[in-house]
Amino acid sequence: QITLKESGPTLVKPTQTLTLTCTFSGFSLTTPGLGVGWIRQPPGKALEWLALIYWDDDKRYSPSLMSRLTIFKDASRSQVVLIMTNMDPVDTAAYYCARAFHRNDPYFDYWGPGSLVTVSS
Amino acid sequence: EIVLTQSPGTLSLSPGERATLSCRASQSISSRYLAWYQQEPGQAPRLLLYGASSRATGIPDRFSGSGSGTDFTLTINRLEPEDFAVYYCQQYATSPATFGQGTKVEIK
Repeated sequence: QITLKESGPTLVKPTQTLTLTCTFSGFSLTTPGLGVGWIRQPPGKALEWLALIYWDDDKRYSPSLMSRLTIFKDASRSQVVLIMTNMDPVDTAAYYCARAFHRNDPYFDYWGPGSLVTVSS
Repeated sequence: EIVLTQSPGTLSLSPGERATLSCRASQSISSRYLAWYQQEPGQAPRLLLYGASSRATGIPDRFSGSGSGTDFTLTINRLEPEDFAVYYCQQYATSPATFGQGTKVEIK
């Protein structure tokens, strides 16, 4: 059974740095082709693709947020971490991690339940 | 970056009816790289279709997809109560992958 779960703070202050951890089971990020990505969704709005890391440490970022994002993995702990700097109230959103099926077809076949992050002073 | 435009924004239908949702890309993409997701209120998205028309595991056959180039369609035959939700298309042909803004299918 494949599961993913996001963890991290629910409230951050403006200008602070957000660190979110995705802990997964049922697959390994040492398996060729696989990836784990992050997607966010502001309340009542659409999904926004943020970043993705593959089994071979290939990393992809949203160009509009690239300067603020860092993604890395700890395959031995089955975790992927997303760091977002200089948080702003517009970054308030549900943050999801999801498994990317394969680098050749990186649709998201399994999702975590999401973690709501509020940015407020 | 490829922009996906979904229409209509909201679709009001009754159970048992057919829903037809559109997703238009700002540039041509291979049908191999188009997915559809369903999102129920308060839930994470769920993969419905990938490769424009291939159903994900456990997805009933009343969900079907078609299209090529810039125009793609998700069809839901005989709407069930659990199908009233928001649907998103996603292209993963280029990085960054992008999502459409969603179509809400609501009960009429």
